[in-house]
Amino acid sequence: DTAVSQTPKYLVTQMGNDKSIKCEQNLGHDTMYWYKQDSKKFLKIMFSYNNKELIINETVPNRFSPKSPDKAHLNLHINSLELGDSAVYFCASSQDIRYYGYTFGSGTRLTVV
Amino acid sequence: RKEVEQDPGPFNVPEGATVAFNCTYSNSASQSFFWYRQDCRKEPKLLMSVYSSGNEDGRFTAQLNRASQYISLLIRDSKLSDSATYLCASDSGAGSYQLTFGKGTKLSVIP
Repeated sequence: DTAVSQTPKYLVTQMGNDKSIKCEQNLGHDTMYWYKQDSKKFLKIMFSYNNKELIINETVPNRFSPKSPDKAHLNLHINSLELGDSAVYFCASSQDIRYYGYTFGSGTRLTVV
Repeated sequence: RKEVEQDPGPFNVPEGATVAFNCTYSNSASQSFFWYRQDCRKEPKLLMSVYSSGNEDGRFTAQLNRASQYISLLIRDSKLSDSATYLCASDSGAGSYQLTFGKGTKLSVIP
C-alpha cells in the first residue's frame, strides 16, 4: 500500500502541450510538497501546501500551477511545456509544516521533446 | 543565495571500509539537519536526522558542527547495499517550512 503515490510515473510530451501530475498520500499528513530534480540531480522545492493552503511558492514560472483539493492530494498542472521542464518531479509529504522527515513519492519523469 | 554544499564524489570504497561525507550550510539560522539516501532512479528516503549532540544508528553516525556550519555522515563497515547518493538537507531557519537539499554525494562500495 503505497504511502505517497504519483501518477504518471513517466510522461513524454511535445513542447507546448499542457500536462498534469497527480499525487496522493495515505499517511494522514498535513503538509505536501512538489520538488523538481533536474539532470544535475539538484532537488529544488517548488511548492508547499499545508492543509490545502499554499505555504511556499518558490520562483517558479506561472506555467506551473499546483492545486490541493484536500490535504491528501496535491496536483501539478503545467501549461505550455518547454524543453527545460524536463526533469523528475517528486511529490512529498510530512506530518506537519514543522516536521522535515519527508516521505517522497517515486517521482514522475517528465521528458519534453 | 543560501545553499547547502556537498562534494559530489564519487567516493569509491571497498567493502568493509569506513567512509565519511561532509556537508556545509551557509545559513547560520538553520536549525534542522538531515541525511537522505537516494538510490539510482529512485526517490530520496530519510536516512537520519542530525542532532546537536550527534546521533548514531547502527553503522551510521551523523554529527553537527554549528561553529563551522557543517554536518557529517560516517558509515562504518561499508556494505555493497550502501551504494547510493547521500543528500544532506537543512531548513532555512525557524518558520522557513522547507528543506534545502545539497546536490548529493555519490558512494560506490566495491566488492
